[in-house]
Amino acid sequence: KAGVTQTPRYLIKTRGQQVTLSCSPISGHRSVSWYQQTPGQGLQFLFEYFSETQRNKGNFPGRFSGRQFSNSRSEMNVSTLELGDSALYLCASRLGVNTGELFFGEGSRLTVL
Amino acid sequence: QKEVEQNSGPLSVPEGAIASLNCTYSDRGSQSFFWYRQYSGKSPELIMSIYSNGDKEDGRFTAQLNKASQYVSLLIRDSQPSDSATYLCAGGVKPGGGNKLTFGTGTQLKVEL
Repeated sequence: KAGVTQTPRYLIKTRGQQVTLSCSPISGHRSVSWYQQTPGQGLQFLFEYFSETQRNKGNFPGRFSGRQFSNSRSEMNVSTLELGDSALYLCASRLGVNTGELFFGEGSRLTVL
Repeated sequence: QKEVEQNSGPLSVPEGAIASLNCTYSDRGSQSFFWYRQYSGKSPELIMSIYSNGDKEDGRFTAQLNKASQYVSLLIRDSQPSDSATYLCAGGVKPGGGNKLTFGTGTQLKVEL
């Protein structure tokens, strides 16, 4: 069974640009969550999608947005990039929003110059 | 105050010893708890989940939950060098929008030969 797949794995952007990251969940998983991981802050929850609807949201500015498609694949977008957005962005899937076990992808490492 | 707190370590133990990793949480509404292992440069991997007070054993791993003290721990018996990683504790609450997980910043474990 294929795991969670994230693309791209690495990317470099400059301040002010925008970026779109993609995530394909484990087959049968309908919930996709996004996390930002930095050395100082650890894993910070961005948002979770289930059945194409945002179900939970973390404390990030509106520059961070996401969506989910009917096949459960998800994208997140960061607009007007700032240096502080440099991080590992992790996508995780689970069967549903009320189940606990999250399964993570390998992440997309974003560097903002 | 962070919702889930862990000592960042590093926690150093000799090979074959028991490693004890601890986590406290502040939200009394937390109902589920998870331990993830994250190797350097890799994504978090679920190793244990626990929902009820008491102990739960899985191989060399034992998770312990004490809801009255708001305390979760992970014991690793017969520690091996391959156990050297960062261990993340996560707690889940259900605010109506599903089981939202909050992660601690992780404890780095080093198992020395």
